[in-house]
Amino acid sequence: EVQLVESGGGLVQPGGSLRLSCAASGFTFSSYRMHWVRRAPGKGLVWVSRIDTDGSDTSHADSVKGRFTISRDNAKNTLYLQMNSLRDEDTAVYYCAKERGSAGAFDLWGQGTLVTVSS
Amino acid sequence: QSVLTQPASVSGSPGQSITISCSGSSNDIGGYNLVSWYQHHPGKAPKFIIFEGTKRPSGVSTRFSGSKSGNTASLTISGLQAEDEADYYCCSYVGDSAWVFGGGTKVTVL
Repeated sequence: EVQLVESGGGLVQPGGSLRLSCAASGFTFSSYRMHWVRRAPGKGLVWVSRIDTDGSDTSHADSVKGRFTISRDNAKNTLYLQMNSLRDEDTAVYYCAKERGSAGAFDLWGQGTLVTVSS
Repeated sequence: QSVLTQPASVSGSPGQSITISCSGSSNDIGGYNLVSWYQHHPGKAPKFIIFEGTKRPSGVSTRFSGSKSGNTASLTISGLQAEDEADYYCCSYVGDSAWVFGGGTKVTVL
């Protein structure tokens, strides 16, 4: 079955760290660029990060630049998001998403994992 | 980073057609042919329904259609059904390997 499954969310104090994982199956993971997108409570979807097929090129939204790092392990078919210096405003459901070829669109999404930043 | 503007809410009766606008600039919608649309039922995975502004992925209902004119993209839902009640988001590539979503539109079926 073609799917993405996120894990690693939870409750963390401000200033803390968390690493999210996204396990991919049913498709050739190493052939696709991957992304993280989040949705804060009561707010809309926000693009967070993107990584190239071999991990050599990454990009991040200004709001997380310098604090979050996206990476991947193609041998394990897994995408990661290392989140440091977490802030209250990082509280959100985090989704991993697969990019469709060169169309710049996200054609497969996971169910999401909830990150709550609170003291 | 740029922001795409969508109406907060749109409503319609079953069977009617509704259109959701997504207003941007020459730095996003107008500069690239890479606008996509997503349907999101809270608590579920977002669903991809339109790419490259007007193209519909296989398996997506023909009731969903996309268009683009200048710096504005639009999503039209024809023959509105109860299951269409959800949040809808536009998204555009904005260069420098970055993307931006619109604020989202809540569709209510009356």
